[in-house]
Amino acid sequence: AQTVTQSQPEMSVQEAETVTLSCTYDTSESDYYLFWYKQPPSRQMILVIRQEAYKQQNATENRFSVNFQKAAKSFSLKISDSQLGDAAMYFCDYWSGGGGAQKLVFGQGTRLTINP
Amino acid sequence: NAGVTQTPKFQVLKTGQSMTLQCAQDMNHNSMYWYRQDPGMGLRLIYYSASEGTTDKGEVPNGYNVSRLNKREFSLRLESAAPSQTSVYFCASILWGANEQFFGPGTRLTVL
Repeated sequence: AQTVTQSQPEMSVQEAETVTLSCTYDTSESDYYLFWYKQPPSRQMILVIRQEAYKQQNATENRFSVNFQKAAKSFSLKISDSQLGDAAMYFCDYWSGGGGAQKLVFGQGTRLTINP
Repeated sequence: NAGVTQTPKFQVLKTGQSMTLQCAQDMNHNSMYWYRQDPGMGLRLIYYSASEGTTDKGEVPNGYNVSRLNKREFSLRLESAAPSQTSVYFCASILWGANEQFFGPGTRLTVL
């Protein structure tokens, strides 16, 4: 069965600095999708970034980028120039894709604190 | 587009009562999901519907039933609520090919 592991329950960073959140996963499939979601205190789930496994290029979205290592099954999120509004729970998510039996698994989450 | 909507937003039940959580999406998405999130925890998949007319168990299906009424709607039913089912429930949907999940705002359920 697919599993997703976020080994850092909590992280903190100074405002304007860079922080990296870790995520590892286990799967025997070759084609899948990985996501990072942000959950602020409002509980709304907000998509931060996504990565298709067939793409070698790492995804970037403004200050957010990923380091996708398919062979190592690692998918870390880097937040540059951290802002106070980045404080939230961050979840890594694996999806096996549409059609047929779908596997969709979340990690346990990392609580990110931004220190002013 | 309203996106993914959930009703109700809050609910308090007594042990043994039943209720149905409603979820609807207006984005013509194929797959829909029900998750629960306990305090300080991640999301755990209860049931999902890969496409209209199909439903499958997720990680924690016990005590729940689902119904994919049509392509838009996916309901979650608690037949006999238990305090262990106190949680925040999220509905989500995915459009195949777009590969992005859209989440509803959540339902906060308390079972006394």
